[in-house]
Amino acid sequence: AQRVTQPEKLLSVFKGAPVELKCNYSYSGSPELFWYVQYSRQRLQLLLRHISRESIKGFTADLNKGETSFHLKKPFAQEEDSAMYYCALGGSANAGGTSYGKLTFGQGTILTVHP
Amino acid sequence: EAGVAQSPRYKIIEKRQSVAFWCNPISGHATLYWYQQILGQGPKLLIQFQNNGVVDDSQLPKDRFSAERLKGVDSTLKIQPAKLEDSAVYLCASSLYPVIAGPGGKQFFGPGTRLTVL
Repeated sequence: AQRVTQPEKLLSVFKGAPVELKCNYSYSGSPELFWYVQYSRQRLQLLLRHISRESIKGFTADLNKGETSFHLKKPFAQEEDSAMYYCALGGSANAGGTSYGKLTFGQGTILTVHP
Repeated sequence: EAGVAQSPRYKIIEKRQSVAFWCNPISGHATLYWYQQILGQGPKLLIQFQNNGVVDDSQLPKDRFSAERLKGVDSTLKIQPAKLEDSAVYLCASSLYPVIAGPGGKQFFGPGTRLTVL
């Protein structure tokens, strides 16, 4: 079974401070991990994926298979980073011989960056 | 390009009534998803279509929920009869392909329909 845990429902930091949003997962296969973000009054959107090893808006995330974690980090938080962040695990499944991906989301962390 | 469209944006009904939601995915996207997001929780996949066929409906409460994607484009999700615990935001998403890893697997989400069951 796929499971994603985000232990913090709320996280508050001040502008310019480092921020880390925690994510742990449970999956028996080879995982694909993602971070999605939802800004106020906007749609849920992909922030970054581990396979791309990218940095988006200053955020990075490293997959640690030993600790089954995929924490999201940013060295200097900005007020515009305030949003809801979801960690998601992509697993593979099969139906009728067709392989497809399935996303399982964590409960989300509300990040508030104070001026 | 136009994004995923959903309607209505809000719906209030009484328990035991029926309700239907509509989704129009991004043009050319073969894969369509319906998620249920209960307040305080992350989105939960209800059903996934590949063109007009269902590939995963393992978490769809089939005694009351149904979904279809005629002609492999638009989709409707129906609840009949609704229960109080169905109050949630229903999200539709689409992607080019059903795989997760490649760029074609990136899911684009609609604005959601907020359902309140009284």
